[in-house]
Amino acid sequence: QQPVQSPQAVILREGEDAVINCSSSKALYSVHWYRQKHGEAPVFLMILLKGGEQKGHEKISASFNEKKQQSSLYLTASQLSYSGTYFCGTSPPPGNQFYFGTGTSLTVIP
Amino acid sequence: EAEVAQSPRYKITEKSQAVAFWCDPISGHATLYWYRQILGQGPELLVQFQDESVVDDSQLPKDRFSAERLKGVDSTLKIQPAELGDSAMYLCASSLAPGLTYNEQFFGPGTRLTVL
Repeated sequence: QQPVQSPQAVILREGEDAVINCSSSKALYSVHWYRQKHGEAPVFLMILLKGGEQKGHEKISASFNEKKQQSSLYLTASQLSYSGTYFCGTSPPPGNQFYFGTGTSLTVIP
Repeated sequence: EAEVAQSPRYKITEKSQAVAFWCDPISGHATLYWYRQILGQGPELLVQFQDESVVDDSQLPKDRFSAERLKGVDSTLKIQPAELGDSAMYLCASSLAPGLTYNEQFFGPGTRLTVL
């Protein structure tokens, strides 16, 4: 049930763009995205509720392809503050369980 | 801004001892979750409460772990006896509405447990 993310790790220079992919072998009813900085709790970024939906949060946006059971997170013009581990997550109805993805470590350097 | 509170932030214990973690969710959030996160991995959901009732505890190792939310507000997670493999971050989260399919969750700062 755990979604698989790619890449596992990425290093960017400030201002560069990145894409993080999340793929599931089972149906995705929704996709959640979280960012976790080292030693801190995960912080909610956004949730995509239906296929074809796209959302944006400052310079971070995401898309959800329900048919392909995939989601992608787009980070544009990266800032140092974007560093952390990004997790996608999914919860099959009725929502009693939540499965975080394998995680992507993002490091932004000056 | 409302936050999920957890205590203690850090706990060091010896194996076979009992430990307890406390969580106070955001006011008005009826749904509460306990997660365990091993270093380098994503959080794993242990138990979900709706008010004072357990909705799902299928991932909770019930031989040594217990969780309660007696008055439907704050919650306690207990481990007895602690084992070396229990060393992890224990996270509490809450959400306004039940079910995680369509609802975001808010996490507390976590309790870092080290078992010696």
